[in-house]
Amino acid sequence: EAGVAQSPRYKIIEKRQSVAFWCNPISGHATLYWYQQILGQGPKLLIQFQNNGVVDDSQLPKDRFSAERLKGVDSTLKIQPAKLEDSAVYLCASSPRRAGGNQETQYFGPGTRLLVL
Amino acid sequence: SQQGEEDPQALSIQEGENATMNCSYKTSINNLQWYRQNSGRGLVHLILIRSNEREKHSGRLRVTLDTSKKSSSLLITASRAADTASYFCATGLGSGNTPLVFGKGTRLSVIA
Repeated sequence: EAGVAQSPRYKIIEKRQSVAFWCNPISGHATLYWYQQILGQGPKLLIQFQNNGVVDDSQLPKDRFSAERLKGVDSTLKIQPAKLEDSAVYLCASSPRRAGGNQETQYFGPGTRLLVL
Repeated sequence: SQQGEEDPQALSIQEGENATMNCSYKTSINNLQWYRQNSGRGLVHLILIRSNEREKHSGRLRVTLDTSKKSSSLLITASRAADTASYFCATGLGSGNTPLVFGKGTRLSVIA
């Protein structure tokens, strides 16, 4: 099966500009996550969707970050306006919701590397 | 906040040697997972161990879990140059589709 797709792979913007990232999860995966990974650290959850509803956005800086998951499939993450400290890799992951198998296993996309100047 | 802390932060070994990485965490967990990340790439799931399990094997990987000490270890036997990557432990605090809390990772370098 095809993996999690993300685009763009790289993005360079200036501070105060806006940027959007796109994620297409594995077909049939009901749960979608966005993580932020700052250089030298592990990924940190930004937001979790179950189908098209938000399950957890407690760590999303809502004054500048927003995310949506239209029709419970693709998702977009937006930053507006960007700050220098937003420079990071933004990872999208999905996991299945079906009988059997490890629902806890998350499948990650290649990430979008963002540099804010 | 970081839940897991890997140790060591960096490890360099010769090809063919075994590599051991440790992970400590702070709160009760449902499961603990290990992921690998090659430079500039996404994370790849390696193995999941549940809180009621003590040891698990997958190919050249062996994972142990000690819930009384809140720690886990990942052993890679007969390492290869292709094993060079960062390895992260991640804790699942609940069952089902719950977010993972990652540590900072161990950078493994396997020298041919």
